[in-house]
Amino acid sequence: ETGVTQSPTHLIKTRGQQVTLRCSSQSGHNTVSWYQQALGQGPQFIFQYYREEENGRGNFPPRFSGLQFPNYSSELNVNALELDDSALYLCASSLSPGQGYEQYFGPGTRLTVT
Amino acid sequence: KNEVEQSPQNLTAQEGEFITINCSYSVGISALHWLQQHPGGGIVSLFMLSSGKKKHGRLIATINIQEKHSSLHITASHPRDSAVYICAVQGLGGGSNYKLTFGKGTLLTVNP
Repeated sequence: ETGVTQSPTHLIKTRGQQVTLRCSSQSGHNTVSWYQQALGQGPQFIFQYYREEENGRGNFPPRFSGLQFPNYSSELNVNALELDDSALYLCASSLSPGQGYEQYFGPGTRLTVT
Repeated sequence: KNEVEQSPQNLTAQEGEFITINCSYSVGISALHWLQQHPGGGIVSLFMLSSGKKKHGRLIATINIQEKHSSLHITASHPRDSAVYICAVQGLGGGSNYKLTFGKGTLLTVNP
């Protein structure tokens, strides 16, 4: 059983550019959540996808968008990058979006915007 | 005020000491998670609990739903326990209410 993987590990982008981050869920998991963790802070919920549909969203602007594919892998897209988007982006997969289901985290992608 | 508050923010201990990290929350929850994050970012789930107490090796987690409080204890601490420990609560209801809301974390350093 493979765990949650994310790519790339590190990424440097320029303000105004667009970025796509990828997440491969743990086998059998149909739910993925994305989080942004700024330096020295706890992660903040961006959105969750369940069976290819967005299933909830945190306080992030529309330039943060996502996709979930039939194999339940997922992408996080950020347009018009800003300096404050520099952070560690974490994805977590679970068997279900419901309560009581543990989330399994990937290693994260560290994005630096210059 | 954050929905999830952890204390202390930083904790330094000597190897072998008993360690307690506290978490208080202000909303109704379906579950509380204790997570460990090492330098470099990777997060590992330690416990998910909704009542009572759980134990895994030298780690013990307790929760008091009425008081909206949880503690993570580490017995016989070791330098390899040095990490950031994060408390996160999972909301009630559907959609984004099932999201995790995180505390800011407690940086634990265990010296040999």
